[in-house]
Amino acid sequence: GAGVSQTPSNKVTEKGKYVELRCDPISGHTALYWYRQSLGQGPEFLIYFQGTGAADDSGLPNDRFFAVRPEGSVSTLKIQRTERGDSAVYLCASSRDSSYNSPLHFGNGTRLTVT
Amino acid sequence: DQQVKQNSPSLSVQEGRISILNCDYTNSMFDYFLWYKKYPAEGPTFLISISSIKDKNEDGRFTVFLNKSAKHLSLHIVPSQPGDSAVYFCAARSGNTPLVFGKGTRLSVIA
Repeated sequence: GAGVSQTPSNKVTEKGKYVELRCDPISGHTALYWYRQSLGQGPEFLIYFQGTGAADDSGLPNDRFFAVRPEGSVSTLKIQRTERGDSAVYLCASSRDSSYNSPLHFGNGTRLTVT
Repeated sequence: DQQVKQNSPSLSVQEGRISILNCDYTNSMFDYFLWYKKYPAEGPTFLISISSIKDKNEDGRFTVFLNKSAKHLSLHIVPSQPGDSAVYFCAARSGNTPLVFGKGTRLSVIA
């Protein structure tokens, strides 16, 4: 079946602009996660949703970052007033639920470049 | 402070030999551990996992060993194949908290 889909695959934006990154999880998966991966680093947790609500947003670096999942399926990560340090690959993952032994299935990511 | 550490950034192994990737963790609350494999321009793919109540889990050519007293786990791949060349991430979680990842180890399997 279809995996996790992320769009766009690449996004180049100017410093100070607003961007939206979209994630389509695997159908039926109730948990959805956003991670960020910088060069030479592992994925770093940002936020996760169980259903429509953000269950843990402790990884969001500051209030310029916000994510929504209004209908419990598609999620959008929104970044305001982008900075060059926001440049990274943004990874979305979904899992059947948020239980400990439910593996995360990742999309291919959105590479964000802030110039 | 890195809670999950992969101290070898890269590893090179000959085809047919064993690959051993290592991972250390500092958080004693972690009770579930996973290995992910990542090819360029793709997202990480789940490979194998182990619960803290076990010390070994095997799936085909892949075996994960967990040493709780040393807070250490390793992934063994035998025999290694060129298609195994990728970046391998160790990850851990406590209960249903989000996964914490290491920085990864790049494995190169040479034919």
